Amino acid sequence: AQSVTQPDIHITVSEGASLELRCNYSYGATPYLFWYVQSPGQGLQLLLKYFSGDTLVQGIKGFEAEFKRSQSSFNLRKPSVHWSDAAEYFCAVGGSQGNLIFGKGTKLSVKP
Amino acid sequence: GAGVSQSPSNKVTEKGKDVELRCDPISGHTALYWYRQSLGQGLEFLIYFQGNSAPDKSGLPSDRFSAERTGGSVSTLTIQRTQQEDSAVYLCASRNIAGGDTQYFGPGTRLTVL
Repeated sequence: AQSVTQPDIHITVSEGASLELRCNYSYGATPYLFWYVQSPGQGLQLLLKYFSGDTLVQGIKGFEAEFKRSQSSFNLRKPSVHWSDAAEYFCAVGGSQGNLIFGKGTKLSVKP
Repeated sequence: GAGVSQSPSNKVTEKGKDVELRCDPISGHTALYWYRQSLGQGLEFLIYFQGNSAPDKSGLPSDRFSAERTGGSVSTLTIQRTQQEDSAVYLCASRNIAGGDTQYFGPGTRLTVL
């Protein structure tokens, strides 16, 4: 069955530090992969997506993610975190009906 | 409208009552999804509508949950005889099938069952 694992429930980083959020997926075929961000009281906003082609994808707000088939991973990165990046981040894989299968999320806190 | 809208934004109800949650998708989007976000369970897929096809109800947790989509646009999620474990944020998303696989989410309805 398709599944997504985000091993880190909560991460705290200092403002200006680099960030990497981990995501591993289980999917038989070439996956469609997504990262969404949810700020407190807000809906889900798409950060970036991978369908095919270049395995390093750029997203909004300075985020990028790299698809590594050999590791079944799609980790999210940002070189320098801003206080406004504090939010919850969800990795997802596209299911057979186009529905999204989400990981449990990683909550990011940013220290000043 | 410019985005997916949902109403109400908050709903408090008593155990055993029925509730209806509404979703207005982005105009022209033929695919519509309902998800539930609850503590401990994360984000779960509930139901999927695509055009005039029969919906995919595989994610509905019980027969107390149902949904319909009228005229290929607005959708209503109905929960009958609500239970406290139904308390969650219910999210709706729409997608333009012809335009790729990106789903656009509404702000959600926070349901609290007392």
